[in-house]
Amino acid sequence: AQKVTQAQTEISVVEKEDVTLDCVYETRDTTYYLFWYKQPPSGELVFLIRRNSFDEQNEISGRYSWNFQKSTSSFNFTITASQVVDSAVYFCALSVFQGAQKLVFGQGTRLTINP
Amino acid sequence: GAVVSQHPSRVICKSGTSVKIECRSLDFQATTMFWYRQFPKKSLMLMATSNEGSKATYEQGVEKDKFLINHASLTLSTLTVTSAHPEDSSFYICSARESPNTGELFFGEGSRLTVL
Repeated sequence: AQKVTQAQTEISVVEKEDVTLDCVYETRDTTYYLFWYKQPPSGELVFLIRRNSFDEQNEISGRYSWNFQKSTSSFNFTITASQVVDSAVYFCALSVFQGAQKLVFGQGTRLTINP
Repeated sequence: GAVVSQHPSRVICKSGTSVKIECRSLDFQATTMFWYRQFPKKSLMLMATSNEGSKATYEQGVEKDKFLINHASLTLSTLTVTSAHPEDSSFYICSARESPNTGELFFGEGSRLTVL
C-alpha cells in the first residue's frame, strides 16, 4: 500500500521568508510518480510538479524548488521569498506505475503568508 | 495543459433528492477518470475509478449504489449522488488521464455539494 505523510498541518510565515513543506512517502513499488499540488481558497487543484522515481535531480522553477531524496523517501518543497499569493493548501501525492495509477494524497499543509 | 471541466461548480439540494455532477475532458480523450471527495480542511480521498465503457471500480467503503458513476464516452464521466443526505455535503473533484501509461493527471475545478 502507498502512503504520503505531510507532518506539517499548518505553517504561518511573514512575507519574504523562505518556507519548506515536508513530504514523506511510503511505497513498495520501485517505479512511481510524486506530485505537488496547490489548492487556493477557490478549491481547484493547481499542478506544480511531477517527478518520477528514476530522476532524483532537484528542480527549481522560479521561487519554487523541490528536493527529492529516495534514501529518506522524501520530496520536500521550498518556496523562496514567499508572497501573500502563495497562501494555500499544498498537497503532496504519489502514484505508482502499475495498476490504476490513482493518486494517494497527503493530508495537506495549510500555508499562510502574512504581509 | 489539458483542460478538465466540472459542472456544476456549486449545487445546493434538499435531502432525499439526487444530484448529478459532470466531468468533461475538453481537449483530449480520457480513457480513465477518477472521482475524489474532500471534506472541509481534509485531504482528497479517492472514491472510484471509471473506465470508458465499463463499470467503475469503487474504493473500499464507498457505496456504489449511493454514488453512481457513468463513463459513457471518452470525454464525459458523471457522478450521481442518489438520495442525498447532509453528510454527503462535500467537495467532489474529478481527474482525467489521457494515456493509460503515464502519470499525467488533469483535475477539474471541483463541485461543492451542499445538502440541506
